[in-house]
Amino acid sequence: AQKITQTQPGMFVQEKEAVTLDCTYDTSDPSYGLFWYKQPSSGEMIFLIYQGSYDQQNATEGRYSLNFQKARKSANLVISASQLGDSAMYFCAMRERTGGSYIPTFGRGTSLIVHP
Amino acid sequence: DGGITQSPKYLFRKEGQNVTLSCEQNLNHDAMYWYRQDPGQGLRLIYYSQIVNDFQKGDIAEGYSVSREKKESFPLTVTSAQKNPTAFYLCACGGTYSNQPQHFGDGTRLSIL
Repeated sequence: AQKITQTQPGMFVQEKEAVTLDCTYDTSDPSYGLFWYKQPSSGEMIFLIYQGSYDQQNATEGRYSLNFQKARKSANLVISASQLGDSAMYFCAMRERTGGSYIPTFGRGTSLIVHP
Repeated sequence: DGGITQSPKYLFRKEGQNVTLSCEQNLNHDAMYWYRQDPGQGLRLIYYSQIVNDFQKGDIAEGYSVSREKKESFPLTVTSAQKNPTAFYLCACGGTYSNQPQHFGDGTRLSIL
């Protein structure tokens, strides 16, 4: 079974509008971390935002916020005021305890295209 | 500047040949990882290491080998046993706790001649 599910292979958004990228996860570990990364066409992976399983507040980093719904096991990324440079692949990832180590698992990604 | 460096950026392999991808970091991180990325597949874990002289298989280790003789270095060898090696390979490093993000290299694109 998929540990991280990103159901949107591709998303389109108009410049300056907000967009939500979906991520659901599956774990029975009470202690875990959730991450979003951005991968531009050049290939490097850029860390965007982190949410801990015990965090009460949703994480925010500039124009990025994480809509964390623990009961639904959902960790959606919200990008406000989209910019052309936001066009990229976006990956959701989770670190849960596996055999004594916190091994990261990634979703298949969502391709975001921002239109002018 | 601290960072993680992968080389080469592009690599071509002949049939039956082993090739080695380099990954070096100067961030003083304990853990290092190798991922394979295919279109539509996301990142799949090949091997990881959390301490020098120790490493563990990931989800798709068959046809690959690694070593971790120094904290800074985690080379990946793609052996001739790996029948479909064409992919984008990413190396990462980071801490070992659940709240620590990974830092990635720029990747190596491997193709078959």
